[in-house]
Amino acid sequence: GAVVSQHPSRVICKSGTSVKIECRSLDFQATTMFWYRQFPKQSLMLMATSNEGSKATYEQGVEKDKFLINHASLTLSTLTVTSAHPEDSSFYICSAQRGRQGSGYTFGSGTRLTVV
Amino acid sequence: GNSVTQMEGPVTLSEEAFLTINCTYTATGYPSLFWYVQYPGEGLQLLLKATKADDKGSNKGFEATYRKETTSFHLEKGSVQVSDSAVYFCALPYNTNAGKSTFGDGTTLTVKP
Repeated sequence: GAVVSQHPSRVICKSGTSVKIECRSLDFQATTMFWYRQFPKQSLMLMATSNEGSKATYEQGVEKDKFLINHASLTLSTLTVTSAHPEDSSFYICSAQRGRQGSGYTFGSGTRLTVV
Repeated sequence: GNSVTQMEGPVTLSEEAFLTINCTYTATGYPSLFWYVQYPGEGLQLLLKATKADDKGSNKGFEATYRKETTSFHLEKGSVQVSDSAVYFCALPYNTNAGKSTFGDGTTLTVKP
């Protein structure tokens, strides 16, 4: 149980286009989801916290107009990288909080974005 | 492929007790190793890391030593506090060859006063 499906796993897009990444909780409801970014061999960086039905909370330095997060249902959160540039190339990963605070977290498998 | 095996939880300790959370890994080469912490209602934070064998990462009283011979990176703290109650994740970094980042399942620590 407690599976989070993240798609796509890899995407290559042209500079200037937008890319949407989906994060779905398959067998549980996730009121809170987290989006992270990670460069090779480095640690995760929290980008934003997404709560169902409300606006995401972005970490300092993360452009909310560039990284659009939508958490429209209890099982789906999306991250859209708008007007992508090569410097946005990175590994993006989501995690979902299982139930209430302290119930644990499940990670998606991640998305490798390459902007050319 | 890469994998991380982390001690199952939950773990409940009294304040000032000694903490160990075990973590072993399988990976090609000698990757960096990380411990992350997630406090209730917050996102993951990097707790400490080690980049090569025999390195000791430390932060906030927590320590972990990169043991190549046992492929382990156990997290320890000599005297836990209530404020240490959180979920702890052992992880390998994103690897371009593996195409993914690898986490342990997380260990929930509850410290009681």
